[in-house]
Amino acid sequence: GENVEQHPSTLSVQEGDSAVIKCTYSDSASNYFPWYKQELGKRPQLIIDIRSNVGEKKDQRIAVTLNKTAKHFSLHITETQPEDSAVYFCAAKDYKLSFGAGTTVTVRA
Amino acid sequence: EAGVAQSPRYKIIEKRQSVAFWCNPISGHATLYWYQQILGQGPKLLIQFQNNGVVDDSQLPKDRFSAERLKGVDSTLKIQPAKLEDSAVYLCASSSRTDFLNTEAFFGQGTRLTVV
Repeated sequence: GENVEQHPSTLSVQEGDSAVIKCTYSDSASNYFPWYKQELGKRPQLIIDIRSNVGEKKDQRIAVTLNKTAKHFSLHITETQPEDSAVYFCAAKDYKLSFGAGTTVTVRA
Repeated sequence: EAGVAQSPRYKIIEKRQSVAFWCNPISGHATLYWYQQILGQGPKLLIQFQNNGVVDDSQLPKDRFSAERLKGVDSTLKIQPAKLEDSAVYLCASSSRTDFLNTEAFFGQGTRLTVV
């Protein structure tokens, strides 16, 4: 089955700096890669996703890149703000949706 | 549109007791997922339904966990008997599938289970 690894597990950045989270996946049949943000005590919510026929996607301060050959994908957050502090999960899906272990991002004011 | 509904929000039971969780997915969503999220970890897929058929249940501890999705809409997840390590948030999610493209999974608020 699919195995998704996520790094780092924690990330502390100064407000205004960039944050990068990296994930690798094992199943080459995976073709959908969403990223979820989970605030304390709340449900995970989708922030951006990318499909396997696209190499990069951007939405305002958030961007995701995908390298199918290397089987890894990354989340980039630019100009970080305190409200970006949360746990971020990557996921990969072929027929089932599997999540990474999460990255706790702390943005220091 | 209405979101994914789950109940109860919280449940405290003693070990060896049984418990059931209920999920009502977004109307029209064919795919339904149950995840277990232990504190500080990522969601772990327990079972995934497509309509009322099981797509994957490889990580469901079948000696104590069971799930069903009658009529391809609502779903229940049951634990019998519960163990201390079952303490977690149980998240239900649903997604639609259009033209075989994978689409966003929407999560419910979850049920926080504490086994004492």
